[in-house]
Parts: sequence; C-alpha cells; structure tokens
Amino acid sequence: EDQVTQSPEALRLQEGESSSLNCSYTVSGLRGLFWYRQDPGKGPEFLFTLYSAGEEKEKERLKATLTKKESFLHITAPKPEDSATYLCAVQFIANTGNQFYFGTGTSLTVIP
Amino acid sequence: DGGITQSPKYLFRKEGQNVTLSCEQNLNHDAMYWYRQDPGQGLRLIYYSQIVNDFQKGDIAEGYSVSREKKESFPLTVTSAQKNPTAFYLCASRTTGTGYHEQFFGPGTRLTVL
Repeated sequence: EDQVTQSPEALRLQEGESSSLNCSYTVSGLRGLFWYRQDPGKGPEFLFTLYSAGEEKEKERLKATLTKKESFLHITAPKPEDSATYLCAVQFIANTGNQFYFGTGTSLTVIP
Repeated sequence: DGGITQSPKYLFRKEGQNVTLSCEQNLNHDAMYWYRQDPGQGLRLIYYSQIVNDFQKGDIAEGYSVSREKKESFPLTVTSAQKNPTAFYLCASRTTGTGYHEQFFGPGTRLTVL
C-alpha cells in the first residue's frame, strides 16, 4: 500500500498564481516529514523538515505546513524559476529501525 | 564546501558487465543511502549503512552490492544479475545525532545499459 501520496502529479500555474501541493501519508509513528525540490537530471535539494502537527516553515515563496495526516507546500506568487518537481518524504520507526518513504512528486511548471 | 559527490555523472554498461558508482561525502555523516529513481516512481531504497563496516538491504537490493570501508565512502556496484539497471541513481547521507534528521543528496549518476 502507498505510504506517501502526492497530488496533483502535475501542476501548471501562471506566474503569480498561488497554489498548494499536497502530501498525504499513512504511516504511524511519524518522526519527520521532509520536502525537497528536484530539477531535471539533478539530485533533490532539501527544503524543509516538519516534525509535529501544526508546525509551519517558510522560505521565500514557499511555506510548508503539517497536520496529522498530510502536509501542504504552499507556493505564493510563483515565478518561472520555481518550476521543478517537489518531493515529500516521511521518516518513521518500523521494526527494522528508521525508515524513509518518498512520494512520487508533483511536477510544477510556472508559465511566464 | 561540505557536500556529497557522485561519479561518474553518466555511465554506460554493456550486457553482462559489473559497474561501480562512487559516492563520497565530507559532511561527517554516519548514515549513507543508495536510491534508484525511475520515471513516475518514487525513490526506492537499494541499500543503506548506519555505520562503517555495516550495511542493510533496502527494498530492491537484488542485483546490487555495496561496501562501507570508510565513513566518507559508500560505493554501489550494479552487477550483471540486475536485469533492468537503466535508471538514475542517487546517494544520500544524514547525521544520526539526537533527533530525526533530513537526508542530503548527491547530484546523481545516470546509468544506461547498451
């Protein structure tokens, strides 16, 4: 079963058109939720870590929030340079120790 | 600057060949990871290591092997037993200090089977 689901798979926005990306998770015992940005052909770049429901983090036009079942990455007034795939990952404690699961990502395109 | 390096950036393998992907980090991280990324799929864990001279299989370890002889280095060998090795390979590391910490990724190696 899917542990981490991201939606939508792809999103096209006009420059300046704010929106949100969703990351829902079904793991129990969440220890951390991470957001990454990935440009084509490159490794993921770390953006945020969220640890508990109600927590929020901000960086430039990006704001990440966390509830008990999901996280949102809000993009305010996006610019073309924000175009990338955004990945979320969860860390939890399993019988075998620390585990990480990654979502399949949301591909964001911002049109000038 | 601290970071993770992977080499080569592009790698081509012929059928039946073993190839080794390099991953080096100077972040003084204890834990290191290898992931495989395919289009439309999330990152899938191949192997991970929490400490020198110890490593664990991930979800898709068949056809791969690793070693962890030094803290800074975690090479991945793709063997001829891996039937579909064409993919983008990512190495990551993280600290294992108090609390729960994010992984940092290298730039990746794209492997293509000819």
